[in-house]
Amino acid sequence: ETGVTQSPTHLIKTRGQQVTLRCSSQSGHNTVSWYQQALGQGPQFIFQYYREEENGRGNFPPRFSGLQFPNYSSELNVNALELDDSALYLCASSRNIGTEGEKLFFGSGTQLSVL
Amino acid sequence: SQKIEQNSEALNIQEGKTATLTCNYTNYSPAYLQWYRQDPGRGPVFLLLIRENEKEKRKERLKVTFDTTLKQSLFHITASQPADSATYLCALSKPGTYKYIFGTGTRLKVLA
Repeated sequence: ETGVTQSPTHLIKTRGQQVTLRCSSQSGHNTVSWYQQALGQGPQFIFQYYREEENGRGNFPPRFSGLQFPNYSSELNVNALELDDSALYLCASSRNIGTEGEKLFFGSGTQLSVL
Repeated sequence: SQKIEQNSEALNIQEGKTATLTCNYTNYSPAYLQWYRQDPGRGPVFLLLIRENEKEKRKERLKVTFDTTLKQSLFHITASQPADSATYLCALSKPGTYKYIFGTGTRLKVLA
């Protein structure tokens, strides 16, 4: 167990709806990254939050947004859901922003299905 | 664009044998390469990190090599056990970037 918790574990939404996913980082970690993992694929980087600020972003549209709170927990929000958003959403915490190859501690993910 | 390739086919081996998984990359010069294990329905779990100036790293039954000339990493599990059955992901990163680039993973099945 990594100490990173995500909620909910499963979610079913319909196209056009909005969703909020939550993540509590491991104690002592100030950085949270979010990844999207489609079936049979590797995780794809969405964005990273460091000390409550977005520190970098992957190739995802603006309808993917996030927040990080003073206790370093984080939320991922997705607006106007599309069918292709169906995936496992993974939260990963680390001691720092990853510029020195710090290992990532992943939660078990939220499985999102968009119908 | 950056590309990471791992064996897309599942790898089946007999218990006790050595499993060797491959990670090849193009259009990228990583400083760090990591290997993760992922079980179905779970998040990846960190296994090993190797730096660009290191040729080999070992941890118990695991061994990783990193050849920056060939742009390849090999991941070995010796004396494999059925409990080693999982998907193994390689991930690349470099100094000054926060983004880890993951491969698609290789599914390993160790047969008893």
